[in-house]
Amino acid sequence: SQQGEEDPQALSIQEGENATMNCSYKTSINNLQWYRQNSGRGLVHLILIRSNEREKHSGRLRVTLDTSKKSSSLLITASRAADTASYFCATDGTREGGSEKLVFGKGTKLTVNP
Amino acid sequence: DGGITQSPKYLFRKEGQNVTLSCEQNLNHDAMYWYRQDPGQGLRLIYYSQIVNDFQKGDIAEGYSVSREKKESFPLTVTSAQKNPTAFYLCATSWGRGANQPQHFGDGTRLSIL
Repeated sequence: SQQGEEDPQALSIQEGENATMNCSYKTSINNLQWYRQNSGRGLVHLILIRSNEREKHSGRLRVTLDTSKKSSSLLITASRAADTASYFCATDGTREGGSEKLVFGKGTKLTVNP
Repeated sequence: DGGITQSPKYLFRKEGQNVTLSCEQNLNHDAMYWYRQDPGQGLRLIYYSQIVNDFQKGDIAEGYSVSREKKESFPLTVTSAQKNPTAFYLCATSWGRGANQPQHFGDGTRLSIL
C-alpha cells in the first residue's frame, strides 16, 4: 500500500538550531498529517494540511506541501531538547480521493542536543 | 492522551496462547483503530471500526481479531495464529469517519513472547 517516506531517517542537531524533515508520497492525496512520538509513547497529532493548502503554521512548526512534487516538509524552528522524538507523516493514501485509512511513513528520529 | 486508555502496558504471551489488549476511550469518538509498530518502523493498520458493531480489516489482520460492542471499547485479541506477535500495539480514535481527521493515540501495549 502507499506509504510516505520520511527523509532523513535520523537527524541530530544542537538546541536552538532549526530541524527540517521531509516526506514524499506516491499517489494523489486529500490531506497529509504530521505526528510526533516520544520514546515508548503513543503518537501526538501536530498538523493536518489539505491538498489545496501550501503552507501551515502552528507555533514553532511550519509545514509545507507541494502536490506537484508529492512531498511535504516539517520545519521546527529554534529547537529544544524536548523536541527530541520521532516524527511521522501520514497520508490518506488513495487514488480516488476519500479514504478511511491513514498510511504512515517510517519516521525521522530527531535528537536535539542541549 | 488522557482520553484513551490502553492496558496492560506490558504483556507477555506464551506459545499457543491468545491474549487480549484493551482499549477504552472517553472522547465520544466514532472511529477506533489498532496499529502495530515494530522497532524503527512506522505504524501498520490491523483493524479499524467506524461504528459500533462494525469493523474492517486493515493491512495486516491475519492472526488478530477485534470486537466493537460498545462505542467506548475496541479490544484486540492476538491469537495463537499470529506467529510473530512481539511488537508495540497502539490504539487510536478519531472524531469522524475517514482519514481526513486527526487521530488520537493511547500510550500503547508492548507485547512480548515468553
